[in-house]
Amino acid sequence: DAKTTQPNSMESNEEEPVHLPCNHSTISGTDYIHWYRQLPSQGPEYVIHGLTSNVNNRMASLAIAEDRKSSTLILHRATLRDAAVYYCIHDPEGDKLIFGTGTRLQVFP
Amino acid sequence: GAGVSQSPRYKVAKRGQDVALRCDPISGHVSLFWYQQALGQGPEFLTYFQNEAQLDKSGLPSDRFFAERPEGSVSTLKIQRTQQEDSAVYLCASSLLGISAQGVSGNTIYFGEGSWLTVV
Repeated sequence: DAKTTQPNSMESNEEEPVHLPCNHSTISGTDYIHWYRQLPSQGPEYVIHGLTSNVNNRMASLAIAEDRKSSTLILHRATLRDAAVYYCIHDPEGDKLIFGTGTRLQVFP
Repeated sequence: GAGVSQSPRYKVAKRGQDVALRCDPISGHVSLFWYQQALGQGPEFLTYFQNEAQLDKSGLPSDRFFAERPEGSVSTLKIQRTQQEDSAVYLCASSLLGISAQGVSGNTIYFGEGSWLTVV
């Protein structure tokens, strides 16, 4: 099974940037790195994905290490609505996303 | 709405009862997934359909679990003779393309809100 390692929890204050790290040392050259988040009582929600280059979208930025063994999800200005569990995933088999336990992000006003 | 729709949202079943959980994927989406999420855990893969074909059922925990998607759109997850350990949120997800089109992919997957099953 694909294996990613994330901190169990992180905290941030509102309006501050948040850097959520992920290690994926077993990743192969063709595996995408996906980030999903899950707000309370909801299904997971797509955040961003990338292969080799850093990626930006309206929700976040994804910084991928040159060796691809780690990545960082960057929320530029955390809001209370960003409080969620953030999952870092890579999908070596292509037909499923293998979730770990993720990082629980708390955002304080 | 245009998202993945699941029903019922909440189900309480007596142990031994059969349950059926329905998923309406986003219209036109080829791929459909079922996941099981226990309290405090990440979602765990159960099964995958590409159109009406069930290509991967490696995550189904026992032969009491059965999924179908007969016309390549709506899917049903059936659990026979429910046990207390079946209590979980069952998540359905869909994506536009099939894996054969993308290979190892950056395919975005859209999740429903889940069906919360409690077995008493």
